[in-house]
Amino acid sequence: KAGVTQTPRYLIKTRGQQVTLSCSPISGHRSVSWYQQTPGQGLQFLFEYFSETQRNKGNFPGRFSGRQFSNSRSEMNVSTLELGDSALYLCASSSSGGTGELFFGEGSRLTVL
Amino acid sequence: AQSVTQPDIHITVSEGASLELRCNYSYGATPYLFWYVQSPGQGLQLLLKYFSGDTLVQGIKGFEAEFKRSQSSFNLRKPSVHWSDAAEYFCAVAPRGAGSYQLTFGKGTKLSVIP
Repeated sequence: KAGVTQTPRYLIKTRGQQVTLSCSPISGHRSVSWYQQTPGQGLQFLFEYFSETQRNKGNFPGRFSGRQFSNSRSEMNVSTLELGDSALYLCASSSSGGTGELFFGEGSRLTVL
Repeated sequence: AQSVTQPDIHITVSEGASLELRCNYSYGATPYLFWYVQSPGQGLQLLLKYFSGDTLVQGIKGFEAEFKRSQSSFNLRKPSVHWSDAAEYFCAVAPRGAGSYQLTFGKGTKLSVIP
């Protein structure tokens, strides 16, 4: 069974640009969550989607957005990039059991110059 | 607000020695509890989880963790560390109930292993 796949793995952007990251969950998983990981703040919850609906959202500005498609694949977008957005963005998928057991991808490492 | 504290930022142990990583949480009710491991450049892998029942839970790679309600702790242990265990370890909690996908993580403990 294939794991969670994130693309791209690495990318470099400049301030003011926007970026879109993609996540393909484990087959059969309908929940997709996104986390930001930085050395200073650690792992922080961005948002979670289930059946194309955003169910939970973390404490991030509106520049961070996401969506989920009917095949459960998800994308997150960050507009007007700032230097502080440089981070590892991790996607996780979960079955519909709701027990919090997440399966993580390897992440997309974003560098903002 | 809920929080997870991992008091040790970095721990160094010799190969073959025992290991205990500490985790304390602050939560209104007993949450679901998890330990994840992250190797450099990788995502997180679930080591073990506690939902209910026996307070000593076994995980993968020879790890175990003990839930102590009175201390709000969920410490991770391994009797004999291998060099391949060098990684960063994260304790996490999630609220009980359906749709509990929002994890709160500790800051992590980086484990170094001396051969």
